[in-house]
Amino acid sequence: TQTVSQSDAHVTVFEGDSVELRCNYSYGGSIYLSWYIQHHGHGLQFLLKYYSGNPVVQGVNGFEAEFSKSDSSFHLRKASVHWSDSAVYFCAVSADYNQGKLIFGQGTKLSIKP
Amino acid sequence: EAAVTQSPRNKVAVTGGKVTLSCNQTNNHNNMYWYRQDTGHGLRLIHYSYGAGSTEKGDIPDGYKASRPSQENFSLILELATPSQTSVYFCASGDGTGRDTQYFGPGTRLLVL
Repeated sequence: TQTVSQSDAHVTVFEGDSVELRCNYSYGGSIYLSWYIQHHGHGLQFLLKYYSGNPVVQGVNGFEAEFSKSDSSFHLRKASVHWSDSAVYFCAVSADYNQGKLIFGQGTKLSIKP
Repeated sequence: EAAVTQSPRNKVAVTGGKVTLSCNQTNNHNNMYWYRQDTGHGLRLIHYSYGAGSTEKGDIPDGYKASRPSQENFSLILELATPSQTSVYFCASGDGTGRDTQYFGPGTRLLVL
């Protein structure tokens, strides 16, 4: 069974703080791990993806994520958040043998306090 | 310029009525997908397509049909809408490989009364 778990439904931080959004997966074989962002009232937009190589992946707007095979994790981080980072963040897993279908976590809503 | 568009953006339907949600993509992607988004469930795959003329069942296909008449267009059809199908529906396109990035439309908010 392929699952993606985002343990935090809601995270609140102050502007300028660092943040880590957690993602754990249960998936066999060669996989791709992605993060997508959804601003209120909009569709999802791609942030970054990991397949192989350097376990730290850089994305847009200062986001990065780190893959850990031992922990089955792919946590998203940002060193200093901006109010515009307020959104829902989705972790997703895909695989070539699964025709590229995405399996999403439940999402984490990130709220930024001024 | 938007590569994936959806229509309508909002829809109110009556129980038992027929609803058709449309999606158009200009990415020239082979694969297209329909998801629904509900609080606490993230996005769940309803139907997908490998190309014109093909439709495949996703994880929650019951109560839904799909149609892919061309590379660009992919429709989701609710023949007999029910209140449990009230949700936000997203269409996406991709090239069908694991490494692919999917591109999402803006969503359709459906309310079934």
